[in-house]
Amino acid sequence: AQSVSQHNHHVILSEAASLELGCNYSYGGTVNLFWYVQYPGQHLQLLLKYFSGDPLVKGIKGFEAEFIKSKFSFNLRKPSVQWSDTAEYFCAVNAESGGGADGLTFGKGTHLIIQP
Amino acid sequence: DAMVIQNPRYQVTQFGKPVTLSCSQTLNHNVMYWYQQKSSQAPKLLFHYYDKDFNNEADTPDNFQSRRPNTSFCFLDIRSPGLGDAAMYLCATSTRRGSVQYFGPGTRLTVT
Repeated sequence: AQSVSQHNHHVILSEAASLELGCNYSYGGTVNLFWYVQYPGQHLQLLLKYFSGDPLVKGIKGFEAEFIKSKFSFNLRKPSVQWSDTAEYFCAVNAESGGGADGLTFGKGTHLIIQP
Repeated sequence: DAMVIQNPRYQVTQFGKPVTLSCSQTLNHNVMYWYQQKSSQAPKLLFHYYDKDFNNEADTPDNFQSRRPNTSFCFLDIRSPGLGDAAMYLCATSTRRGSVQYFGPGTRLTVT
């Protein structure tokens, strides 16, 4: 079974700082990779995804992530954060198997606080 | 505009009293999922339906059941809730297995 590890559980940054949130997964086969975000009081929503092709993917609100297969990593980045980026960020993996991929395996999440 | 709707948003039940949580979708997606998220933990997949095909995760307790009477609706039944079942329950949908999942706002279950 696959697992997902997010290195930072709580991150506090000032506005305009650069952000990188680490995500590693364990699974030897083909995976689909996601970052979801949950803003305060709102539901989980997709930030970006990687299925195949260019390992550098761009998402909404200036976020991007890079898939490094050799490192089993899918780190999330943003060059300059804003106060409105305060949220919980979840990395998730969906492993392809013979019968197709099933549900998502999530990391424990990173609580990001941006200070004005 | 709501695409995945969960009712109620907050549910309080008594220890051992059966409870049903509901999820509906306006996306006409084939796949519907139920996740359990306990405080400060990752969402954990309980089961999913691919059309009418039910798929249970190996470690989902027997206490948890699900029904999908039609494409739009899916229910989570907890037959005898224990204190350890208090959690946020998330419903999600996708067009097919492996594709992007769209989440509802969740139902927070309290067991007294």
